[in-house]
Amino acid sequence: GNSVTQMEGPVTLSEEAFLTINCTYTATGYPSLFWYVQYPGEGLQLLLKATKADDKGSNKGFEATYRKETTSFHLEKGSVQVSDSAVYFCAEGPHSGGGADGLTFGKGTHLIIQP
Amino acid sequence: DAGVTQSPTHLIKTRGQHVTLRCSPISGHKSVSWYQQVLGQGPQFIFQYYEKEERGRGNFPDRFSARQFPNYSSELNVNALLLGDSALYLCASSLTGGASYEQYFGPGTRLTVT
Repeated sequence: GNSVTQMEGPVTLSEEAFLTINCTYTATGYPSLFWYVQYPGEGLQLLLKATKADDKGSNKGFEATYRKETTSFHLEKGSVQVSDSAVYFCAEGPHSGGGADGLTFGKGTHLIIQP
Repeated sequence: DAGVTQSPTHLIKTRGQHVTLRCSPISGHKSVSWYQQVLGQGPQFIFQYYEKEERGRGNFPDRFSARQFPNYSSELNVNALLLGDSALYLCASSLTGGASYEQYFGPGTRLTVT
């Protein structure tokens, strides 16, 4: 079946550092791609998404570009804040043409930002 | 508007027992999906329901079943509980079951099987 691989954590950075969390997927075709974030004590929240190749999703200073040629959807942020500390999940969904299967998630990357 | 709600918040059951978890989607959303999240792992897809019909099923045994009601709320049932069923069970709702697929998650039900 399909799988999503993301970098192991925890990732510890200083405030204002540049962030990259790698994510690759194995699905063939053109799945929709997502980043979800889980803040301490809270539920999963959609951070950003992209539904076709070369699309860039962005939200709250985070960006990720759908790269079909490398089957990747890496999450980036230019200057992280302490409030960005959370667990980040990369996920793939059905192809843009539809489908009823659920999201396939990576294992999550725990991000810790130190002041 | 209220988000996705789930009940109960926490639950402790004994091996072999049965459990029912409940979910109410965001108003106007017609699709509900269920996921299991074991500690330290990403959520794993169990079921998707759309317009009261099962539209997708993950790799889970037949002990797991679900249904969706006319008001679009949903129940997840697990029979003959095993220790390995201990997890956070997440419900997600979306407008449709199709390509838009922007899912909104509830806070989850923490199930502990002893």
